[in-house]
Order: sequence, then C-alpha cells, then structure tokens
Amino acid sequence: DSGVTQTPKHLITATGQRVTLRCSPRSGDLSVYWYQQSLDQGLQFLIHYYNGEERAKGNILERFSAQQFPDLHSELNLSSLELGDSALYFCASSATGSTDTGELFFGEGSRLTVL
Amino acid sequence: ILNVEQSPQSLHVQEGDSTNFTCSFPSSNFYALHWYRWETAKSPEALFVMTLNGDEKKKGRISATLNTKEGYSYLYIKGSQPEDSATYLCAGGFGNEKLTFGTGTRLTIIP
Repeated sequence: DSGVTQTPKHLITATGQRVTLRCSPRSGDLSVYWYQQSLDQGLQFLIHYYNGEERAKGNILERFSAQQFPDLHSELNLSSLELGDSALYFCASSATGSTDTGELFFGEGSRLTVL
Repeated sequence: ILNVEQSPQSLHVQEGDSTNFTCSFPSSNFYALHWYRWETAKSPEALFVMTLNGDEKKKGRISATLNTKEGYSYLYIKGSQPEDSATYLCAGGFGNEKLTFGTGTRLTIIP
C-alpha cells in the first residue's frame, strides 16, 4: 500500500459527460501528479501541483482541469468526454517539491471507460 | 520534446538467468533518472532514483547504473525469479517539474 488513495477505482460513463477523479496523497506529501495511461502508451504526464500551486502542465486537454485543495487532496475534472479519453488515470505523490529527485508514490489508478 | 526510450519492449527470460535492459534519455538538462516496477493489477513502485553520473544502486538482486554523459541507464536482474515478472519503467527528470516516462520493458520469467 503506497498510502495514495484514488477514487473511484472504476468509472463507466457516456460521451459528452463530465467526471471527477479524486486523489489523496500520502500523509505529509505536498506534491501531487496526474498521469494518463492509454492503451499501448506509456504514462503521459498531465499536471503537477505542489502545496496548492500548479507547478507544471503537460499536454493536458483544455477539457481537463485539476486543482489541489488546502488539505492537499487533488481532483482531476474531465469534461465533454470522448471515446479517446478512456484510460487509466494515475495520481502520484511525492515528499519533495521537485519531481526530479523525489520518488513518486502511485495510487492504484482510476480506470475510466467512455462509451 | 524530451524522449525517454526503453529497450527491449518485452523480454522472456528463463528462471535463474540474469538479464538487463536499457533506458535512453537526453543528456542535456538532466536532473534524475527513476526506475519503477509495475506488476499487473498493481501500481508502479519506485526501485531507484539516481542523479549522478556513475551512480550505481542495488536492491537485493536488482541493480542499476547511470551514465549521464551518454544518456543511458541499465537495469540488471540477477538470477531471475517468477516474482520478477513485471513491467519496468524508467523516467527522466529534466528540471521542468515533471517526470517523463518511457513505455517500459515487459519482463516475463519462464519457470
């Protein structure tokens, strides 16, 4: 158990809908990262928050948004869903503000299926 | 675009044999190289984080080396066991606050 909690574990929804994925980092970790893993692709970086502030953004679609709250949990909002958004979404946390040297602790992922 | 590449894509190894695989990354703006182990139906777990050229890290039968000047890292597994079957991911940190992952090497140990 990494200490990172993601909910829901599975989600099935229809095109055009909106979903929210939630992540609680390990106790004491200030950094939260979101990654997307689509079929046959590696982990694609979406966004990084540190102590409530956005630190880095990857190729995140405009339909996607995220935030980190004062209690350090984070939410990833996906709207106007398309079939291609079906993927496994991972949240990871780190004790350091720098992703470069701090190892990431991953949650179990939220598997999104868009029908 | 920062490309982190891993080879081979997949590998079958007889139990008891040793094996290794490669992670290649751009050597400019390099900060750190991470290795993660990802078992099926679980989440990736960190094995090593290396930052300095010539770094060598070891955890049990698994070890890794780092060459930042030429931009590669090797992961070695000695005396493979069935529980070593997993996907091994490497990721590079390049000072931009995001880890860039390779697509992984899928290792299958044949009993």
